[in-house]
Amino acid sequence: NAGVTQTPKFQVLKTGQSMTLQCAQDMNHNSMYWYRQDPGMGLRLIYYSASEGTTDKGEVPNGYNVSRLNKREFSLRLESAAPSQTSVYFCASSEGNEQFFGPGTRLTVL
Amino acid sequence: GESVGLHLPTLSVQEGDNSIINCAYSNSASDYFIWYKQESGKGPQFIIDIRSNMDKRQGQRVTVLLNKTVKHLSLQIAATQPGDSAVYFCAENDTGGFKTIFGAGTRLFVKA
Repeated sequence: NAGVTQTPKFQVLKTGQSMTLQCAQDMNHNSMYWYRQDPGMGLRLIYYSASEGTTDKGEVPNGYNVSRLNKREFSLRLESAAPSQTSVYFCASSEGNEQFFGPGTRLTVL
Repeated sequence: GESVGLHLPTLSVQEGDNSIINCAYSNSASDYFIWYKQESGKGPQFIIDIRSNMDKRQGQRVTVLLNKTVKHLSLQIAATQPGDSAVYFCAENDTGGFKTIFGAGTRLFVKA
């Protein structure tokens, strides 16, 4: 079991560029999540998907879109990146209260 | 808005001593409280959780205490080891369980 995998691990974008962060889990979990973590802070929920076919906004959804492609995959898209989106992005999945996190994607927007 | 926060940003303990990490929360309607450990360069890892109808729960070397009267949560680590060095986050789940709110984190340093 690989658990939760994320690609890429690192990315540098220029302001206005777009990109998609990929996330996949092999634990057959129904729920998946995207968080961002800024330096010295806790994680903030961007979007979540309670089950395949549904997505909902979290605490900080502005500037992002998500797609729950199937039960395994949940992608996060930045349509027009801004420096304020420089952060570490974590994907997670869960079946119950325990969330399993991926290794993160470190994104820098110049 | 609702928030979960921590009293101490850093904690330094001697190897073998017990550690206590504290957390304050503001949403009295939260159902579950969770502690996560995050090592450098990695994603958070679940340690232990507690339901709102409990006041204590024990795991292997860890104990979580919940005081709903003062909205306080603590994580106790017994016989702290160098491998316990990490940032610890408390978090709370709403009734549906999907919207987890994380605190800012406490960094634990274990001195050999």
